[in-house]
Amino acid sequence: GENVEQHPSTLSVQEGDSAVIKCTYSDSASNYFPWYKQELGKRPQLIIDIRSNVGEKKDQRIAVTLNKTAKHFSLHITETQPEDSAVYFCAASRYNQGGKLIFGQGTELSVKP
Amino acid sequence: GAVVSQHPSWVICKSGTSVKIECRSLDFQATTMFWYRQFPKQSLMLMATSNEGSKATYEQGVEKDKFLINHASLTLSTLTVTSAHPEDSSFYICSARTGWGTEAFFGQGTRLTVV
Repeated sequence: GENVEQHPSTLSVQEGDSAVIKCTYSDSASNYFPWYKQELGKRPQLIIDIRSNVGEKKDQRIAVTLNKTAKHFSLHITETQPEDSAVYFCAASRYNQGGKLIFGQGTELSVKP
Repeated sequence: GAVVSQHPSWVICKSGTSVKIECRSLDFQATTMFWYRQFPKQSLMLMATSNEGSKATYEQGVEKDKFLINHASLTLSTLTVTSAHPEDSSFYICSARTGWGTEAFFGQGTRLTVV
């Protein structure tokens, strides 16, 4: 079945540093890759997404890169701030499965002031 | 963004009883909704895909007779945990999308505790 592996499970950085989270997917037909941020006790919120026809996408301090050949994609957060502390989930989806999202295991990011 | 409302936010029930959780898309029509289960500090595990007007599609290992899903309208899906047991205690969360490749909006989740 479909599987998404996410690493690391925890990540601690100093404020202002960059953070990188990596995901690998198993289903080569996957073609939509969103990233969600979940703060403690809250619902997941989309922060950025990328489709398979694009290699990179950036939105201010957040960027996502996709390598279809290697079947992996990464989230990059630059100039981290304490409010970036949360659990981040990657996910993968393909069109002909009703758009269901298969999530990675999550990364708990801690940004220390 | 679009709003998905889930109720109740938390529920405590006795072992052997059934509990119904509602998921509503408030400002858009969702032909498809998804139900996830999340254990503490763990990922969102997809349980089933809820399709309006048809049977839900369950993921492997999910008991369809235990977790009954009904998608009665384009804005409402329900998950009923039947004959609940303590091991069913978990955080259940729904999501809805307007279509493939679009943002999935999540409900606030339901904390179920079976005693």
